[in-house]
Amino acid sequence: RKEVEQDPGPFNVPEGATVAFNCTYSNSASQSFFWYRQDCRKEPKLLMSVYSSGNEDGRFTAQLNRASQYISLLIRDSKLSDSATYLCVVEFSGGYNKLIFGAGTRLAVHP
Amino acid sequence: GAGVSQSPSNKVTEKGKDVELRCDPISGHTALYWYRQSLGQGLEFLIYFQGNSAPDKSGLPSDRFSAERTGGSVSTLTIQRTQQEDSAVYLCASSLRTGYSYGYTFGSGTRLTVV
Repeated sequence: RKEVEQDPGPFNVPEGATVAFNCTYSNSASQSFFWYRQDCRKEPKLLMSVYSSGNEDGRFTAQLNRASQYISLLIRDSKLSDSATYLCVVEFSGGYNKLIFGAGTRLAVHP
Repeated sequence: GAGVSQSPSNKVTEKGKDVELRCDPISGHTALYWYRQSLGQGLEFLIYFQGNSAPDKSGLPSDRFSAERTGGSVSTLTIQRTQQEDSAVYLCASSLRTGYSYGYTFGSGTRLTVV
């Protein structure tokens, strides 16, 4: 089983749609959680950290469920510019802190 | 500089040659990671440096791969006797510290092609 699992997609949605991505992680010692965005042939860029209480940044909402080892990202009112691959990232804290990336979920927003 | 700097941005090398990839992290960042990403694939962890601690080398795929970090700043990833399967984008990331909400900043990567 992969340490961080995501649905690879692609998710094809029209502009204005609401779309949700899910991610599960296997190591209960995980400490920190992030969503990154990666555009084609570019480096990943931090989209938002994920807090236990859930957090929102504009059209983006992230949720964490430690009991179920599950992370989600909700994008409201999708824009064409949201088209990218969204990476779920988990930081394990056992001994060495290590970032483990999911393989990513591809989103394509169309007019 | 303001960001993580990697060089070269592109490298084409012949099979069997050695290559060195450089990462210059954001000043003051104590944590530094190397990842690689093959075409259409996710990020594969290679090695992690944190301050003066011994690095976590658990992701290095073979003994042809090595990395060092001098003075807690610049890091060099060396691949000896390159193989075609080493072709990938090698990404470096740094962070002020590990832990909640700090996030990591990536360089734009070195695209390595072994011919």
